[in-house]
Amino acid sequence: DTAVSQTPKYLVTQMGNDKSIKCEQNLGHDTMYWYKQDSKKFLKIMFSYNNKELIINETVPNRFSPKSPDKAHLNLHINSLELGDSAVYFCASSQEAGAAYYTEAFFGQGTRLTVV
Amino acid sequence: AQSVTQLGSHVSVSEGALVLLRCNYSSSVPPYLFWYVQYPNQGLQLLLKYTTGATLVKGINGFEAEFKKSETSFHLTKPSAHMSDAAEYFCAVNLGGQNFVFGPGTRLSVLP
Repeated sequence: DTAVSQTPKYLVTQMGNDKSIKCEQNLGHDTMYWYKQDSKKFLKIMFSYNNKELIINETVPNRFSPKSPDKAHLNLHINSLELGDSAVYFCASSQEAGAAYYTEAFFGQGTRLTVV
Repeated sequence: AQSVTQLGSHVSVSEGALVLLRCNYSSSVPPYLFWYVQYPNQGLQLLLKYTTGATLVKGINGFEAEFKKSETSFHLTKPSAHMSDAAEYFCAVNLGGQNFVFGPGTRLSVLP
């Protein structure tokens, strides 16, 4: 039973299109994230979100927007796709366990986005 | 601001040899440290983590890491490399507020 699942696994689309990537976690975690992994494998956090606040990495273009219909889902919407958006996008989740202990993040399998 | 550095973007070892992947962090507060592994075309999987207590941490697949506060390091080791260990390895820091910062990664190759 997959803990963090994302769909689709592969996404090929043309420049200018709008697309969404879905993410669901069944771990009961209260915090979810989106990361972008570029061609050099560097992981960059895009958003973190829990039921209290959305934290946006200021370097992320406003064409990217997270949408959370409920605690178990955090979808990523991308408008007006550009060639530079091609990357692997990872969803993750974790549980904030208080100031004395921090848990690890659990990752989905990734969505490889190719913009042509 | 916290950061994580990993010395060596690519490390090659022979099968059966010692694996040593280096991680250093900068932090003004006690960090919580993690090592993740990423196999080709897969997501990140937790190898081990340090939060508090014993500074030598054992993880899955025979890996271990030692937290050295004086050196601000959290190097990952395995006594004997196996072909299946070939992957990308990431060190990460969580300083609270669920803000995970990842290092740039080290690609481990295992030669027969």
